[in-house]
Formats: sequence, C-alpha cells, structure tokens
Amino acid sequence: GEDVEQSLFLSVREGDSSVINCTYTDSSSTYLYWYKQEPGAGLQLLTYIFSNMDMKQDQRLTVLLNKKDKHLSLRIADTQTGDSAIYFCAESTGAGSYQLTFGKGTKLSVIP
Amino acid sequence: GAGVSQSPSNKVTEKGKDVELRCDPISGHTALYWYRQSLGQGLEFLIYFQGNSAPDKSGLPSDRFSAERTGGSVSTLTIQRTQQEDSAVYLCASSLGPSRDQAFFGQGTRLTVV
Repeated sequence: GEDVEQSLFLSVREGDSSVINCTYTDSSSTYLYWYKQEPGAGLQLLTYIFSNMDMKQDQRLTVLLNKKDKHLSLRIADTQTGDSAIYFCAESTGAGSYQLTFGKGTKLSVIP
Repeated sequence: GAGVSQSPSNKVTEKGKDVELRCDPISGHTALYWYRQSLGQGLEFLIYFQGNSAPDKSGLPSDRFSAERTGGSVSTLTIQRTQQEDSAVYLCASSLGPSRDQAFFGQGTRLTVV
C-alpha cells in the first residue's frame, strides 16, 4: 500500500538552513506536496512538484525529488522563527486520483 | 469568504452524543474532502465529493460516520454516538476538480469526546 515516511522532529538555529526529508513507496506518485501547519491552524500548501521534475525553487524554499530512491526533501534557507511549524509531505497519483496520502509530519523548531 | 471555512472551531461533546461538523468550501471548487488528524498521526482520508458524482466514502472508519454535501457547496460531517477515539481535528479541503490536486484546507474542527 501507499506509505509516506518523515522524521518527527527537527531543530535548527535561526539563520541556518533546514532540510526536511520524506520517503514514499508508491512508484506511481505523480504529484508530491509540502504542507505547513502552524499551531492551531489548518494546512497551508507550501509548494508541490511534479514527478517529472527533480528540483523546484520558490524564494527560500527548494524542493528536491529523487524519483529513483522515492525521496523528497524540503530545504528552507535562512530559517526564521516564523518557520516553526509542522511540515507534512504528501503524495498523490495525479489526474483522476484525488486522495492525498500524508506523512505524519515533521515538527520544525527554530532556536533563536 | 476567500478560504475554506469550518465550524465550529472547537467542539466538546459527551460520549454517545451525535455531532455535526460544517465545511464551507472555496466558491467554485467542485471537489471537497474530509480528513481526520489524530494526535501524533498524519492525516487520514475520510470522504471525497466531486460535483454531482456519488461520494467516495472509502475512508470512513465506521457506519457512525456520514457526510453530505448540499447543492454542491456546503458539507456536513456527522458522527453518531461519539466515542473517545473519535477525538481528533477534522479538516476539510476543497479544490477546483479531481485532476487539480492543490487542495486548500480549512483550519479544522477540534473535536474532544469526554
């Protein structure tokens, strides 16, 4: 079955880069997503990548996809205290498939 | 409104009572999803609505759970005879359609069954 795995916790110092990793098992995954959940809030879509891409950059965010190893990462440059949140990796098999499979989330703590 | 709106934001109920959770999707979004987020767990898919098609209820954990979507817009998730294990955050999301997987989430309803 489908499975998405993430480490549960990550702690970084303000100004450093954060790298949050995710592995997935479904080789037919077409879309891969990163969501951010701040305390008491819903999920906010940060970025997504199609499986035919290996990198996507959006301001301080860089997504790397290694489709061969089924490994996805999110790099946050110059991490700020406002980046403290839970980050969820999710995948779907794209068109015609609407179910997102989520990891359990990585709690990022930014130390001032 | 501009985003997905859920109500109530918090609900405390006694075990055995029924609860209704409401979701107002983004205007024009034809797809609507319910997810459940239990403490320390990822998101669990519950049910999906797309336009006038029959909903996909494959994620509902038991027959105590049901959902409907009236007029292709507002959706209500009903949990009958609530149990303590139903305590979770229930998240609703909407998207433009089935092939547009960029779902936008509401802030969720935190349900606590005591």
